[in-house]
Amino acid sequence: AQSVSQHNHHVILSEAASLELGCNYSYGGTVNLFWYVQYPGQHLQLLLKYFSGDPLVKGIKGFEAEFIKSKFSFNLRKPSVQWSDTAEYFCAAALNTGRRALTFGSGTRLQVQP
Amino acid sequence: NAGVTQTPKFQVLKTGQSMTLQCAQDMNHNSMYWYRQDPGMGLRLIYYSASEGTTDKGEVPNGYNVSRLNKREFSLRLESAAPSQTSVYFCASSAGGGVHPDTQYFGPGTRLTVL
Repeated sequence: AQSVSQHNHHVILSEAASLELGCNYSYGGTVNLFWYVQYPGQHLQLLLKYFSGDPLVKGIKGFEAEFIKSKFSFNLRKPSVQWSDTAEYFCAAALNTGRRALTFGSGTRLQVQP
Repeated sequence: NAGVTQTPKFQVLKTGQSMTLQCAQDMNHNSMYWYRQDPGMGLRLIYYSASEGTTDKGEVPNGYNVSRLNKREFSLRLESAAPSQTSVYFCASSAGGGVHPDTQYFGPGTRLTVL
């Protein structure tokens, strides 16, 4: 069965530090990948997505992610975090089949200290 | 353009009570989904509807039923609530209709507590 793993459950950083959140998926076929963010008290919003093409994907608010097929990974990065990036981040994957539902990772809670 | 709306925002039930969570989208999307979010477990799919008139089970369908009332609305019903159903419930929608899975847009969630 398809699964998505996020190994960092809680990350604490100081402002201006660099961020990398890990995401690994288990599926040998074509997969579409997403990063969603949930700010405190708000609903999930799309940060970025990868369907095909350039494996380095740029999203909103300075975030980017790199798809490495050989490592089954789609890690999220940001060179310099801000206090406003405090949120929970979810990686999600979808098989490129008729079923369109997403499989989510367990989430990573990011706390940025001023 | 409100996107995806959910009602109610909060609900407290006693074990055995029933209730329906409502979801509506105004983006003319074909596909709609219900997820539950539990601490440390991310979001898990309960049911989804690829298009009007169809529904399918997701990862955790037991104890729930759904109705795709029309293209806009997709409701989730708990027939006999149990404490294990205490969770935050999210509805989502996506355009659908294409070959690839597409971006899902989420509602604000319903926080349900079952005592």
